[in-house]
Amino acid sequence: GQQLNQSPQSMFIQEGEDVSMNCTSSSIFNTWLWYKQDPGEGPVLLIALYKAGELTSNGRLTAQFGITRKDSFLNISASIPSDVGIYFCAGQEGGGAQKLVFGQGTRLTINP
Amino acid sequence: ETGVTQSPTHLIKTRGQQVTLRCSSQSGHNTVSWYQQALGQGPQFIFQYYREEENGRGNFPPRFSGLQFPNYSSELNVNALELDDSALYLCASSIGPIAGELFFGEGSRLTVL
Repeated sequence: GQQLNQSPQSMFIQEGEDVSMNCTSSSIFNTWLWYKQDPGEGPVLLIALYKAGELTSNGRLTAQFGITRKDSFLNISASIPSDVGIYFCAGQEGGGAQKLVFGQGTRLTINP
Repeated sequence: ETGVTQSPTHLIKTRGQQVTLRCSSQSGHNTVSWYQQALGQGPQFIFQYYREEENGRGNFPPRFSGLQFPNYSSELNVNALELDDSALYLCASSIGPIAGELFFGEGSRLTVL
């Protein structure tokens, strides 16, 4: 099925470092969302973006909706051990059904 | 916690069997979507239910079917199970069919032997 291109696939960083990941698509999306999934859990919504060019923060997390509407990035500042997990971007094309298209995920590992 | 609950959390079936997964949506949410997440992949949209009717479907065969009840809870049914159906099945609720924010349950992990 259709998926977004998310990179990097995995990251190994030291605690306290900043993290950046991004997502690109060949399709235009009306909404971009970022989710985090821990092992054995469902995805948890981190940030939702609704307007091209929008820059939104949630604590140490910052995400932007690309002006072309085909990309988005997520930054995490001053990483801490609980940031470990898999981060997914998701795009919504709009229309009547709320279908989300997900990226393949970025697995974040933090060395203390 | 999102307030979305799913059952069972784990189950094992054999090829050809049928399975029913259940989901209770978050209070105030009238729309339920189901996603399939294979190991190491992002979730894939199966279908959405709104006002007790299917309101959009992904690229899944007809043996994947669903129901939504008047209390907005939902079921996912899969007939004639195949080995490739082994996955985490996620239910997500939202305040409406076009709202952008989905709230996911913890999932039901299905293993088909």
